[in-house]
This record gives sequence, C-alpha cells and structure tokens, in this order.
Amino acid sequence: SAVISQKPSRDICQRGTSLTIQCQVDSQVTMMFWYRQQPGQSLTLIATANQGSEATYESGFVIDKFPISRPNLTFSTLTVSNMSPEDSSIYLCSGTSGGLSSYNEQFFGPGTRLTVL
Amino acid sequence: SQKIEQNSEALNIQEGKTATLTCNYTNYSPAYLQWYRQDPGRGPVFLLLIRENEKEKRKERLKVTFDTTLKQSLFHITASQPADSATYLCALDIATGYSTLTFGKGTMLLVS
Repeated sequence: SAVISQKPSRDICQRGTSLTIQCQVDSQVTMMFWYRQQPGQSLTLIATANQGSEATYESGFVIDKFPISRPNLTFSTLTVSNMSPEDSSIYLCSGTSGGLSSYNEQFFGPGTRLTVL
Repeated sequence: SQKIEQNSEALNIQEGKTATLTCNYTNYSPAYLQWYRQDPGRGPVFLLLIRENEKEKRKERLKVTFDTTLKQSLFHITASQPADSATYLCALDIATGYSTLTFGKGTMLLVS
C-alpha cells in the first residue's frame, strides 16, 4: 500500500485568488488522480495526473481552471485558479499501482478543505 | 444517464448484528466494483474489490456480492462493532481503460 500526504490540510482564500495543493506519495505509483468532494456528495473525479504530460480532464473540468502537474512518480499538484465560493470543497488526491485496464485499489490522501470567501 | 445509488439514509444497527449496505447502478457495465470506508475528515480507505465474473468476495468480517444481472452489489459486515461506524462508498470502473472510478454518495453506518 501507499501512504499519501497533502498540503495544506485546509485553507481559507479570497475570491479571485489561486491555491496550489500538493500531493506526495511515499512510494512510486503508476497513476494519480484528483477528486473533489462537496459536503454530503460523492467524490467527483477532476482529472488523471499523467507524469511528464498534460493531465486528462473529466467532463466539466478544464485545464485553465484546474492546472495539474506531475513531475515524477511520487508528486503532483493541483491548482484551483481564480477561485469563487462555488470552489469551496474538499480536494482529494489518490494513487494506484495499477496501470491501464488494471484493477487495483486506490490510496487516498486525507484531503484539503478549501473555503473561498 | 449513468447513475450509482446508495441508501442516503443512515443505517442504524445494534452491535453484534450484521449490517447490509446496497449499491445499485444503471446504464453501466462495470468490469469491477470496489467498496471504500470513509471516516469524517479523512480520505476513503479501500476495503474490497470484486470482479464482474465473481459472485462473492470475503475478507474477515466483510463480504461483498456482485450481481451483474440485477446491477447490484451488497456489502455485509458481520458481528458489527461501534468502530465500524463510518460512511461506506461503492465505486465502479466505467471501462475507460484508465483505472478511473465513479463513486456513489455513500451510506453512513452507525453501530451502537
């Protein structure tokens, strides 16, 4: 299994600013993902972070709003840009050792609780 | 549209009883289904994975069934304990080939 940490654990930000969330894995994982979880709601996949190339975004999420980097197999960042109160949510990072078409569990970080005023 | 449904109402059961949680889905043909546990303020933790060609999977006090005809998975915790109180999420792959998962909203289990 992998242990995933996230920084910051929480933040309160002003409208129009940006926040970068860091995700660190204690071992190499093949795939990393970013999710959003709003209160009482399910996890919604934002994008798959690809090492050395552009992230793969899900419908409704765009790179300009949620730029993602993954410079190596153990680290990724998600930036929430030009924030509005609607971006207030918990953002979660996960990793898996599975590859394409491989059935492996995902390991999750503790999440970053973002409040936008 | 594709949908995953889990009981939105919290499930309250007595310690020692078996808890049964339901996950129904429509318009999917998942290759596998996973169950996760989520405690307040924490990320989900993987519990069990069951493939489409498996009917049942067990791990200690946990049991998962998967009926692809009914499009339903049942998650059982036997001899439940207060420490089992948490929200339980089911998740399906949607066969994009990228190991991506689609999650249900989860069911809160309260054992007292």
